[in-house]
Amino acid sequence: EVQLVESGGGLVQPGGSLRLSCAASGFTFSYYGMYWVRQATGKGLEWVSGITNAGDTYYQGSVKGRFTISRENAQNSLVLQMNSLRAEDTAVYYCARGGIAAFDHWGQGALVTVSS
Amino acid sequence: QSALTQPPSASGSPGQSVTIPCTGTSSDVGGYNYVSWYQQHPGKAPKLIIYEVSKRPSGVPDRFSGSKSGNTASLTVSGLQGDDEADYYCSSYVGINNYVFGTGTTVTVL
Repeated sequence: EVQLVESGGGLVQPGGSLRLSCAASGFTFSYYGMYWVRQATGKGLEWVSGITNAGDTYYQGSVKGRFTISRENAQNSLVLQMNSLRAEDTAVYYCARGGIAAFDHWGQGALVTVSS
Repeated sequence: QSALTQPPSASGSPGQSVTIPCTGTSSDVGGYNYVSWYQQHPGKAPKLIIYEVSKRPSGVPDRFSGSKSGNTASLTVSGLQGDDEADYYCSSYVGINNYVFGTGTTVTVL
């Protein structure tokens, strides 16, 4: 059974940093592209970042230069390093596995709150 | 990249059908056959129900179907059931490993 478990969420001040992790199990992690998708409270889904199985990285415009996605295949782990956080980054962050141009499995989400 | 446009709400009685449009542009929905749909119940993670416009993952009932014409994709839920009451989001590939989601539609079973 595919499982994705996010951790590392919490409260951080504007301008601060936070590191989200996603522990994957139940599939061969190194074979798949992985993604982060976020959802502000009461709002829609927003694609944030992705990393291919080869390690190529991609970012949505508003996070480019501030967020860094990475993966550690030996640990079956996906990471999102978030720097220079803003109030508008407040959201639940989901880790998702890449399917055929889709997100075929999702974690339960980690809440990130940026506030003073 | 602007969000794809969906109606905020849709509704139907049990057993009826509801269709949710998802309108984009030739740079997203119209440019690729990579439209997917997600169902999200309150407080839960999204679940993939349609990929590549009209394909269903294993375990998704055939009451859920997808289609596309030009820059508009659509999700149809037939034989509405109480558990179909949820938020539905479309998504499209937009090139260079980037994606965009729709604004979301809340389906109510009357």
